[in-house]
Order: sequence, then structure tokens, then C-alpha cells
Amino acid sequence: DAGVTQSPTHLIKTRGQQVTLRCSPKSGHDTVSWYQQALGQGPQFIFQYYEEEERQRGNFPDRFSGHQYPNYSSELNVNALLLGDSALYLCASSPQLAGGGEQYFGPGTRLTVT
Amino acid sequence: AQSVTQLGSHVSVSEGALVLLRCNYSSSVPPYLFWYVQYPNQGLQLLLKYTSAATLVKGINGFEAEFKKSETSFHLTKPSAHMSDAAEYFCAVSPRGFKTIFGAGTRLFVKA
Repeated sequence: DAGVTQSPTHLIKTRGQQVTLRCSPKSGHDTVSWYQQALGQGPQFIFQYYEEEERQRGNFPDRFSGHQYPNYSSELNVNALLLGDSALYLCASSPQLAGGGEQYFGPGTRLTVT
Repeated sequence: AQSVTQLGSHVSVSEGALVLLRCNYSSSVPPYLFWYVQYPNQGLQLLLKYTSAATLVKGINGFEAEFKKSETSFHLTKPSAHMSDAAEYFCAVSPRGFKTIFGAGTRLFVKA
């Protein structure tokens, strides 16, 4: 059983560019959350998708947007990249109706903005 | 509002010694509480979780944590540290499974 997978593993972009990160949830999971983890910090919640809709959002600007597909996979899009967007972006999946609250994390995508 | 405070950004112990990583939380509703571990260049792995059942929670790799409502604490312990326990540990709080708030993390060093 494949766990949560993310692509690409590493990415280098220039300020002002746009980037798309991808996530496939663990089998049987229908909810995907995205987190930003800056160097030396804990993950910060960006947003959560369930049934192809954004259900919750953290304190991130509209430059951060997402999408969830019918197969539950998800994308994170960041427009007009800033140097401060350099971070590890983590995707986590969970089964919405199972309760318990635990999430399964992917290995992350390391984004560097130059 | 929910928040998590991890006391000590770095903790160093000798191999075989007790591991104690401290976590205090704030939550306006009964929370779910978690400890995750992150090894270099990897994602987060769940160590254990508290969801209002037993207050002493046992997790993987010999770790356990005790929920103390009166102290709003959820400290992580392991009786005997191994070199392989060296990693970053994150405490997290979630108001019934939705938005999860993470602490800043505690890096555990294990000395031979």
C-alpha cells in the first residue's frame, strides 16, 4: 500500500514565477491538507480539501490556491513567488469520516525561490 | 483558539537515559493531541495520539505521553534513548480532527 506521495521532490524557481506541487493521498483517504514548513519551524497549515472543495484555510494569502480531483489527489499552486515562500511543502491525507484526527504525511517538496 | 508550546528547541540526552520532551497546549474545546517525529529530509511520522480515551498513551518505538488536563500538558517520554531516536519531534493539537496546529519542534540529540 503506497503511502502519501508528492512530486516533485525538489524545485527551484525564480521570484515572480508560479509553481504547482502535486500530492496523491494514501489509499482510502479522501481528505488532503497542505502545510508549509520553513527551515527550523513547525508545519503551518495552508488549507484542507475534501470532496473537491476547500474546507478550511490557514493564514495564507490568496497567492496560495489548491485543487482536489475526483480521485482525491490534490495540487497546491503558488503564484507570484516570493523569497519567503522557500520552504518544505508537506501534504497530509486522512479519512474524513474515520475521526481520530491523525494525518499521514508525504515526504514533502522542497521549494527554493531565488 | 488553539496553540502549542514546546519547551526547549533542543534537548540532548545520553544513550540509555530518559527522554522527556515537553508540550503545553491551549484549546477552547477538548482537543486531539499528537506527537510526530521527523527525520532529516523526510515527512512527519505519527508517534502517538490522544483522543479522550486513556490519559496515558503508548506509541511506537517505546514512546509514551500523558495527557494532563489540569496542567494542559502532553509531555513525551521514553525510558531509554537510542541513537536512532535522534530527530525532530513535533507536538500538535487539533480541535476534533480539523485544522492541526503544530509546535515549533524540539530537536533531540542522543550522545553515545
